[in-house]
Amino acid sequence: DGGITQSPKYLFRKEGQNVTLSCEQNLNHDAMYWYRQDPGQGLRLIYYSQIVNDFQKGDIAEGYSVSREKKESFPLTVTSAQKNPTAFYLCASSDLEYSLAKNIQYFGAGTRLSVL
Amino acid sequence: RKEVEQDPGPFNVPEGATVAFNCTYSNSASQSFFWYRQDCRKEPKLLMSVYSSGNEDGRFTAQLNRASQYISLLIRDSKLSDSATYLCVVTGNTGGFKTIFGAGTRLFVKA
Repeated sequence: DGGITQSPKYLFRKEGQNVTLSCEQNLNHDAMYWYRQDPGQGLRLIYYSQIVNDFQKGDIAEGYSVSREKKESFPLTVTSAQKNPTAFYLCASSDLEYSLAKNIQYFGAGTRLSVL
Repeated sequence: RKEVEQDPGPFNVPEGATVAFNCTYSNSASQSFFWYRQDCRKEPKLLMSVYSSGNEDGRFTAQLNRASQYISLLIRDSKLSDSATYLCVVTGNTGGFKTIFGAGTRLFVKA
């Protein structure tokens, strides 16, 4: 089945710990994204990548890091510098169609991160 | 002013009702528009794209008004299964791709 796989589904972080959220896609999409969603809030963009070995900061990148070594994979690390990491993290991917009409983002099932 | 604004609701409607959601956007250069649906504690999923001529998919109708910079979603004959949060999404290409998600409008359909 084609799609986006996020793991783990639930993750707990201890104080001062870095944790990494996995995101893998087999849709052959060029672009991948990480969003954070807090209860009752909209999606906020953390990082995005349009090509392998390149990525850009979104609106709330502080305390997070990413890598894009393979087209299929875009892991997100929540570092100890992120003081309020409890949230629902969503990974998405899309084609990079310059017509934009096809720039539809498809989402993984998400990871819920909580602080112990 | 937020780049994409939606009425947060919630909208509480009986089964069979018609309900309309509006969304406004601030960037007049925006080029693509979508409605996504998000169920509780799940990921957002594309409901439909929104075209300038308006488009319909079964009980769902989407409209775009570029002059007034708003898009709408109309749901006819509401079903219990329509209960969800509906996200307005706007994409532009000024200074690079930018996709903005609205905060969503919650809909509860009751028997």
